[in-house]
Amino acid sequence: KAGVTQTPRYLIKTRGQQVTLSCSPISGHRSVSWYQQTPGQGLQFLFEYFSETQRNKGNFPGRFSGRQFSNSRSEMNVSTLELGDSALYLCASSQRDATNEKLFFGSGTQLSVL
Amino acid sequence: DAKTTQPNSMESNEEEPVHLPCNHSTISGTDYIHWYRQLPSQGPEYVIHGLTSNVNNRMASLAIAEDRKSSTLILHRATLRDAAVYYCSGRYSSASKIIFGSGTRLSIRP
Repeated sequence: KAGVTQTPRYLIKTRGQQVTLSCSPISGHRSVSWYQQTPGQGLQFLFEYFSETQRNKGNFPGRFSGRQFSNSRSEMNVSTLELGDSALYLCASSQRDATNEKLFFGSGTQLSVL
Repeated sequence: DAKTTQPNSMESNEEEPVHLPCNHSTISGTDYIHWYRQLPSQGPEYVIHGLTSNVNNRMASLAIAEDRKSSTLILHRATLRDAAVYYCSGRYSSASKIIFGSGTRLSIRP
């Protein structure tokens, strides 16, 4: 069974641009959650989707958005990039509910904002 | 505000037990406690999770305090491959989001 796939693996953008990151969950998993990881702030929860509906959202500005498609694949978008958005963005999938089930993480997308 | 705290780093000798603590003082009665570990250039990997009683699997054991305000991940015989950053996490229903601790960097001495 293929694991969680995130694309692209690396991304370089400049301030003010926007970026879209993609996540394909494990086949059969319907829940996808996104996290931002930085050396200073650690793993910060961005949002969680289940069956195309956003269930929860972390404390991030409105520039951060996401969506989930009917095949459970998910994308997150960051608009008007700032230097502080440089981070490793991780997505994780689980079968139903991220609360009670273990999360399977992808390898992440390393975003650098110049 | 919901918070999960862990020591920044710990060191242990190979083949000795390791106890990694985590404080989750604001966790509620229905929130599961999860542990993950992360190797360089990889996403976190699931280790174990539990609700109230102690849990065991092939990788580790999880001891949960009776008041559920803290938990301890136990690696019974550490190997060099266990060197990683270990995160505890929980979904705090009051905050409706998944919160990770800052992680404990575990080093293993041969």
